[in-house]
Formats: sequence, C-alpha cells, structure tokens
Amino acid sequence: DTGVSQNPRHKITKRGQNVTFRCDPISEHNRLYWYRQTLGQGPEFLTYFQNEAQLEKSRLLSDRFSAERPKGSFSTLEIQRTEQGDSAMYLCASSWEAGPLLGYTFGSGTRLTVV
Amino acid sequence: AQKITQTQPGMFVQEKEAVTLDCTYDTSDQSYGLFWYKQPSSGEMIFLIYQGSYDEQNATEGRYSLNFQKARKSANLVISASQLGDSAMYFCAMREVPTGNQFYFGTGTSLTVIP
Repeated sequence: DTGVSQNPRHKITKRGQNVTFRCDPISEHNRLYWYRQTLGQGPEFLTYFQNEAQLEKSRLLSDRFSAERPKGSFSTLEIQRTEQGDSAMYLCASSWEAGPLLGYTFGSGTRLTVV
Repeated sequence: AQKITQTQPGMFVQEKEAVTLDCTYDTSDQSYGLFWYKQPSSGEMIFLIYQGSYDEQNATEGRYSLNFQKARKSANLVISASQLGDSAMYFCAMREVPTGNQFYFGTGTSLTVIP
C-alpha cells in the first residue's frame, strides 16, 4: 500500500484557466476528503465522499469548484476559471468508515499557483 | 462551532532540548479528539499523537507527549530531546469522535531546531 497519492504535485496556471487534480486513496478506504490550505493557514475542509456519494460540502466550495468520485475509488477536484485567490495547497485524505480512529491518512497535496 | 487556536507562529529550540507548542480549543461536542500533525516542507501531514476527550491520562508517543488540560481547553504538544529533523510546521487539530468527518485545524507553529 503506497498511501494516498495526489497528482500533480505542482500546477502553475494562468488566471481564468481550468485545472483538475487527482487523488488516489488507500485502496480499502471508502471515505475520501478534500482540504484546501492557503499560505500561513491550516487545512480547511472542502468536501467528502463516502464511496461515490458526495455527502458534505463546505461553504468554501464555490460553484467554480466541483469534485467527483465516479466509481468510488479515485477522485478529481476541478476548479473552473481560476482566480489568484485559488492559489493554495489542495490536500486529499482517506479513511475507512468503520476503521480505526487514527486511520485518517493525508496525501502530500497538490500545490496550485495561479498567475 | 469548533475552533483551534495556536498563538505561536514560530518557535526555536536548541537540539536535544525540550519544547512545548501551545494549542487551545473550543467546541460544543461532548466527545472529541485532539490531534497533532507535523507538516515538513514536502507538504504531507504526518500524524504524531492523539488525545481523546474522555482519556484521563495524557497521551505519549515516543518523544511526543500531549499535555491535556480539559478545564482549560488546552492540548499542548511537548517534544523532548529535539532533533534537527523535527524542524517543520506543527498543526493542532480537532475532530468529533467517533463519527466526525472533518478536521478543524489551527494556523500552525513553525518549529526550527538549532544545532
């Protein structure tokens, strides 16, 4: 098991472009979470999935953001019409619904820079 | 609402000395967990230690211990015998347990270990 994998590790994009990030969770985990971490802040919750169902969304997830987990395995987070304020680290995490309390595992993140 | 406060933006410690990183919290949950994570420059969130709200003894994990004072709503991390590899950002976080889906993080403390 290689843990939670996120791609790409870094992304530089021009303002107004669309970007998509991918997260591959630990294979036996059925829950997947997205967080955003801006400079000087801790991670902030965006959304989570249980299997393929998106069960919770934060107010931070504006209508330019969309997340999917079509087959209950990997997930994608898309940002449309990027703005400079979207520059941040996007972290993914996964866990097993009935698993141990400490089984919530984070990936290494995708660092987005909007120029 | 849940809130985590870390008032030390940066800390320095001499190698082999002990250091305490402060964390206070606020929550209306009856059952919650307090977590500390380490985030090196590579970005991944590394779990260090956990304290449950109903645990009577302070948690310890190797060189890490958590000084939990429930009445004061504080959960300070103590790192003993600091090593150069301990230089990183440290985040205090809280989650309702056992069913909470999202973490609430503080703003972090940057620790620098001086040789």
